[in-house]
Amino acid sequence: NAGVTQTPKFQVLKTGQSMTLQCAQDMNHEYMSWYRQDPGMGLRLIHYSVGAGITDQGEVPNGYNVSRSTTEDFPLRLLSAAPSQTSVYFCASSYSSFRGGGNTIYFGEGSWLTVV
Amino acid sequence: SQELEQSPQSLIVQEGKNLTINCTSSKTLYGLYWYKQKYGEGLIFLMMLQKGGEEKSHEKITAKLDEKKQQSSLHITASQPSHAGIYLCGAVPIQGAQKLVFGQGTRLTINP
Repeated sequence: NAGVTQTPKFQVLKTGQSMTLQCAQDMNHEYMSWYRQDPGMGLRLIHYSVGAGITDQGEVPNGYNVSRSTTEDFPLRLLSAAPSQTSVYFCASSYSSFRGGGNTIYFGEGSWLTVV
Repeated sequence: SQELEQSPQSLIVQEGKNLTINCTSSKTLYGLYWYKQKYGEGLIFLMMLQKGGEEKSHEKITAKLDEKKQQSSLHITASQPSHAGIYLCGAVPIQGAQKLVFGQGTRLTINP
């Protein structure tokens, strides 16, 4: 059971380049989300999805795009990278709350992104 | 919007000592998650609390959610080097939501 898998682990981008952070889960979870972690600010929600074909914005969505074509995958796209997007990115997944309360939210191991 | 404040932000304790980390919310908590993070690694789920007054334990770590559901504490008994890391609390801001609002984290160092 791989859980939540993120790739790549490390990436350096030049300003203006585009890239996609991949996230896959093998637990058949409906809910998936992306967070970024910056020093002294904890994790902040970028985008989330409650199921295939459904996505919504979180607290800091600007500069990022997402899509959810399958239950398993939830890629995060940076269309034109900026130095302000230098951060650690975490993907998370869980069952929908409709399955009952107290669902564990699982996180991937993170993707370290530097934009120069 | 909901805000979480963790205290202390940094903590250094002698191995074998007990310690407590607090997480205070600006609004009612509909669920509170505790995670541990080591540098360069992901978030490890510790515990999740939902009901006011609820208390859960795992090995030497105990977490409580107060009756008014606006504060949680994480207590470690007889700390060990393996407890070192960053502890994060994450709040469920809306009933039934599966997205979290996080505190800024508490960095725990254990001295031998």
